[in-house]
Amino acid sequence: GAVVSQHPSWVICKSGTSVKIECRSLDFQATTMFWYRQFPKQSLMLMATSNEGSKATYEQGVEKDKFLINHASLTLSTLTVTSAHPEDSSFYICSAERDNYGYTFGSGTRLTVV
Amino acid sequence: GEDVEQSLFLSVREGDSSVINCTYTDSSSTYLYWYKQEPGAGLQLLTYIFSNMDMKQDQRLTVLLNKKDKHLSLRIADTQTGDSAIYFCAETSDSWGKLQFGAGTQVVVTP
Repeated sequence: GAVVSQHPSWVICKSGTSVKIECRSLDFQATTMFWYRQFPKQSLMLMATSNEGSKATYEQGVEKDKFLINHASLTLSTLTVTSAHPEDSSFYICSAERDNYGYTFGSGTRLTVV
Repeated sequence: GEDVEQSLFLSVREGDSSVINCTYTDSSSTYLYWYKQEPGAGLQLLTYIFSNMDMKQDQRLTVLLNKKDKHLSLRIADTQTGDSAIYFCAETSDSWGKLQFGAGTQVVVTP
């Protein structure tokens, strides 16, 4: 199969702190992973494309310094929301593509900033 | 940018067929997907279709693609209460594999 594990599934943090979200491909190597953000009752918006061993490619309007992406290995990408504020509260989902399996999504992380 | 549009809501009776529609604008779309999202969960791939196909059937699911009209539909036969969820269609056409999603159709199955 093609399993993507995302952790944590939910997190509450204080305004001004940083939060790290992990996305792991469990049974395959993923040279490319994707990070999405979903607002309530809305579709997923691609934030960035994470490439193993190189810098992430951010979509227009996404702050690179606020949403730090690290893809240090073929099985792990992390998204760090720095100096979080209430408007960063959202549902964040990662995905990875595996040959013959298409895109597999993580279970998502619900971030609440208080 | 390219758009993917879906109707936002569908109510269907248990046992009936559901049809969810999607239109897209990118004529270079190569892969089109249907995903299911249950409350608080990630996306589950239901099925996908290549742009050189016009139909794909997988158990209770039938995908129809009208490439000329850029119209994609998902039919769920014998809809069950467990089918209540939000359904997203998505397409990709570029080499990076970025997916473009529709806004999602909330399907509510009533007894």
